[in-house]
Amino acid sequence: GAGVSQSPSNKVTEKGKDVELRCDPISGHTALYWYRQSLGQGLEFLIYFQGNSAPDKSGLPSDRFSAERTGGSVSTLTIQRTQQEDSAVYLCASSPRRWETQYFGPGTRLLVL
Amino acid sequence: AQSVSQHNHHVILSEAASLELGCNYSYGGTVNLFWYVQYPGQHLQLLLKYFSGDPLVKGIKGFEAEFIKSKFSFNLRKPSVQWSDTAEYFCAVNDDSSNTGKLIFGQGTTLQVKP
Repeated sequence: GAGVSQSPSNKVTEKGKDVELRCDPISGHTALYWYRQSLGQGLEFLIYFQGNSAPDKSGLPSDRFSAERTGGSVSTLTIQRTQQEDSAVYLCASSPRRWETQYFGPGTRLLVL
Repeated sequence: AQSVSQHNHHVILSEAASLELGCNYSYGGTVNLFWYVQYPGQHLQLLLKYFSGDPLVKGIKGFEAEFIKSKFSFNLRKPSVQWSDTAEYFCAVNDDSSNTGKLIFGQGTTLQVKP
């Protein structure tokens, strides 16, 4: 079946611009996670959704980062006023329920110039 | 906070050599443990997982891992590696304290297999 998809696959933006990253989870998966993969920091948790609510936003690095999920499906991660240190690969994962195996998307590679 | 430590950052092996990648975690309670693999140009894929039961778990492509609770370890093994095993390997644990199931990852180990 279809896996987790993310778009765009690559995004180059200028410092100070806003970007939106999209995640389409596996159909029926109620749990959705965003992670960030960067050199020197490894893979870091950003935010967790259960349905449309986000009970854990503890990994968001600053208030420039926000995310939403609609219809219990698609999620959007928004970064406002991007900075060079935001350059990373942003990964989305979904699972049928929390605590179960997470399936990862291909990621969005973000480069902030 | 929980943490995961992978001892080897970069491993180089010849084909047919045996592989063992170390992973230790800090949490003393109930844990779910995972090994993920990222082949060049591909996304993270699950190799194997441990939730409960037999501490020796088998995954895809001949990989296995052993959960040793007393050592807080979950080492990955393969008796004979192939060139196609060249990839980055990540150990991860569910962060039980947050009650969300989020994963805490180790720093990753890059495996290079020489043909």
